[in-house]
Amino acid sequence: GENVEQHPSTLSVQEGDSAVIKCTYSDSASNYFPWYKQELGKRPQLIIDIRSNVGEKKDQRIAVTLNKTAKHFSLHITETQPEDSAVYFCAARGTGGGADGLTFGKGTHLIIQP
Amino acid sequence: DTEVTQTPKHLVMGMTNKKSLKCEQHMGHRAMYWYKQKAKKPPELMFVYSYEKLSINESVPSRFSPECPNSSLLNLHLHALQPEDSALYLCASSLLPGQHSGNTIYFGEGSWLTVV
Repeated sequence: GENVEQHPSTLSVQEGDSAVIKCTYSDSASNYFPWYKQELGKRPQLIIDIRSNVGEKKDQRIAVTLNKTAKHFSLHITETQPEDSAVYFCAARGTGGGADGLTFGKGTHLIIQP
Repeated sequence: DTEVTQTPKHLVMGMTNKKSLKCEQHMGHRAMYWYKQKAKKPPELMFVYSYEKLSINESVPSRFSPECPNSSLLNLHLHALQPEDSALYLCASSLLPGQHSGNTIYFGEGSWLTVV
């Protein structure tokens, strides 16, 4: 099955600086890579996703890049703000033809220092 | 409307109790999922339903019994649980590949379960 590795487990950055979280996946057949933000006591919220036919996607301060050859993808947050503090999960989904669930990375606790 | 609704939000049950978690979506999604999330851990897939049929069971103990009565509803029946089963249980849904790009998975708010 799919295995997703995520680094770092904790990331502390100064407000206004950029944050980068990296993930690798094992199944070359995976074709969908979402990123979720989870605040304490709340559900995971989809913040951005990328499909395997695209190398980069951007949405305001958030961007995701995908390198299919190397099987890794990254989340980039620019101009970080206090409300960006949360746990971020990357995930990968395969192409089983039916309804495959997501395999999540272990999460990154992002701390924005004022 | 991208809502997946779960009830109850909080549940405390004894180890001999029988209870159920309920999930509902009206987005026309034909795939529905149960995930379990322990504190400071990622969600772990438990079950997947595709067109109301169980398609994936990730070796979940039989004390968890899923049910999909129709395309909008998903239940998780709980019986003889252990304290270590205490967790956040997340329901999710998505389109299927045949339903025009069925990739995005939408999560409900979750049901916080405590087994005493």
